[in-house]
Amino acid sequence: DTAVSQTPKYLVTQMGNDKSIKCEQNLGHDTMYWYKQDSKKFLKIMFSYNNKELIINETVPNRFSPKSPDKAHLNLHINSLELGDSAVYFCASSQETTSGIPNTGELFFGEGSRLTVL
Amino acid sequence: GQNIDQPTEMTATEGAIVQINCTYQTSGFNGLFWYQQHAGEAPTFLSYNVLDGLEEKGRFSSFLSRSKGYSYLLLKELQMKDSASYLCAVMDSNYQLIWGAGTKLIIKP
Repeated sequence: DTAVSQTPKYLVTQMGNDKSIKCEQNLGHDTMYWYKQDSKKFLKIMFSYNNKELIINETVPNRFSPKSPDKAHLNLHINSLELGDSAVYFCASSQETTSGIPNTGELFFGEGSRLTVL
Repeated sequence: GQNIDQPTEMTATEGAIVQINCTYQTSGFNGLFWYQQHAGEAPTFLSYNVLDGLEEKGRFSSFLSRSKGYSYLLLKELQMKDSASYLCAVMDSNYQLIWGAGTKLIIKP
């Protein structure tokens, strides 16, 4: 069983479209994340959810909206796609303490979703 | 601002030893991580250092000096499968991970 799974793995779409990427983890972790990795390979955190509550919202455009129906799922919806949105988007999860402090900070990543905007 | 620096690319020979350095300047420190990322795949956790010194785990070791804002990842008995990017990340005072751009390690026979 895949611990952190995200779909789709590849997504090619036109500018201006709306698309979603889904993520599910079966590790029982409390916190899930969305990261963006661009062509320069920097991993940039976009969002973090702890027990369905948003705890990080970095300065990403409001065209990006995370949705967490339960603590095992964190989906990413993107409106009005732009060329600069082309990147690999990684979902990840980690186990936090009850006070929100991570035990070791070890992240478990999904396989990534490569988004190409034409 | 917060900054993580590591070399962009390194080349080494199969069977040899390589050291990948990482220097950091962050607002607070709650640990330093090394991740391995093969091309087209997700990063996978290698090590975590929060105290000064060397942590050894099989062929891989990670060293930390908090006073110098410095860490290195040491890979011994290099194998072709070790060809990958190695990402250094620091957890700051807000428990947020700050990532370096990664070091692409090329192993030659």
